[in-house]
Amino acid sequence: QKEVEQDPGPLSVPEGAIVSLNCTYSNSAFQYFMWYRQYSRKGPELLMYTYSSGNKEDGRFTAQVDKSSKYISLFIRDSQPSDSATYLCAPHSGNTPLVFGKGTRLSVIA
Amino acid sequence: DSGVTQTPKHLITATGQRVTLRCSPRSGDLSVYWYQQSLDQGLQFLIQYYNGEERAKGNILERFSAQQFPDLHSELNLSSLELGDSALYFCASRGSGNEQFFGPGTRLTVL
Repeated sequence: QKEVEQDPGPLSVPEGAIVSLNCTYSNSAFQYFMWYRQYSRKGPELLMYTYSSGNKEDGRFTAQVDKSSKYISLFIRDSQPSDSATYLCAPHSGNTPLVFGKGTRLSVIA
Repeated sequence: DSGVTQTPKHLITATGQRVTLRCSPRSGDLSVYWYQQSLDQGLQFLIQYYNGEERAKGNILERFSAQQFPDLHSELNLSSLELGDSALYFCASRGSGNEQFFGPGTRLTVL
């Protein structure tokens, strides 16, 4: 089993839709959970950062962590064409390198 | 803009050659991480430096090496290049928190 798994997509949604992006992981030592957004061939941009289980909201974005099932989600409300990108989840256990999923490619159609 | 800079943006070279990629972390960040992103492998951790010292190694080939200088910038050296080394190379810096901030990357093409 890979350490971090994501559905690669592509995921295509109409503008204004609610998007759900998900990751599963296998290492129970992970305590910090990050979501990065990467536009084509650009550097990953930190979008959300949560610690342990629970929810965190920032504008149209909500990150959710369920450590008991090792499941991470990112929700995007009122999706916009500018949200079209690859979304990477990256759990880690503190002062350690990030372990990335392969990313989910999202396309929001106007 | 993350505050992390990388040069050059693009590199095109031939097999067997050697190249150096440069990274300047955000002001005050002591940790630098190098990652490789290829189409089929996703983002893979290569190596980490903290204040000039190597802290962790990932799947870095023996042909690759890195260092971090007293001014905290870091260089990744890739030698005896092969076609399969073509990829995007990113560095990320980390301050006192756990967030890592990525640079814009260097796109390496080996012909």
